[in-house]
Amino acid sequence: NAGVTQTPKFQVLKTGQSMTLQCAQDMNHEYMSWYRQDPGMGLRLIHYSVGAGITDQGEVPNGYNVSRSTTEDFPLRLLSAAPSQTSVYFCASSYQAGLTDTQYFGPGTRLTVL
Amino acid sequence: GESVGLHLPTLSVQEGDNSIINCAYSNSASDYFIWYKQESGKGPQFIIDIRSNMDKRQGQRVTVLLNKTVKHLSLQIAATQPGDSAVYFCAERDGAGTALIFGKGTTLSVSS
Repeated sequence: NAGVTQTPKFQVLKTGQSMTLQCAQDMNHEYMSWYRQDPGMGLRLIHYSVGAGITDQGEVPNGYNVSRSTTEDFPLRLLSAAPSQTSVYFCASSYQAGLTDTQYFGPGTRLTVL
Repeated sequence: GESVGLHLPTLSVQEGDNSIINCAYSNSASDYFIWYKQESGKGPQFIIDIRSNMDKRQGQRVTVLLNKTVKHLSLQIAATQPGDSAVYFCAERDGAGTALIFGKGTTLSVSS
């Protein structure tokens, strides 16, 4: 298994540009989520999904959209990038939706918005 | 509201010493806690977890202690090695069971 994969690893955007961060897992996990990590901070939840076709907001959802059309993929879209969205983004997944088992993280995408 | 925090942002130890990393949480209803290790440039890696019906859980060289009376969680690493150098996060499952709430992290530095 490849586990949780994320692309791209690095990205630089100009203010107002849009882009999609890709996340995929091959472990048949129900639960997937997106976090952002800022310097000196823990991870903060952006959006999550408990299964295909189901998404919900986390702690910091503003400026981000997600969709879950398949079990494997959970892309994160920035519609109009802002400098405040400069961060490292992590995708994570776990087998069950109740978060009662191990959550696996991807390697992260480092995003800079100029 | 729910919050998870760590007592110290940094911890420096000598190789071979035992390390203790602490974490305080505020939601007495929390029932599941996890410790993660994050090495530079990588995603968090699961270390060990504990449920609220337990006080202690041991893994390989790691032990997690849970004190529900004072809402305190600790991670003990035995015989700390240079490879243990990383940022350690505690996380708490929220009341709805849909999200993990992370603390700010403790940076562990191990010198040989």
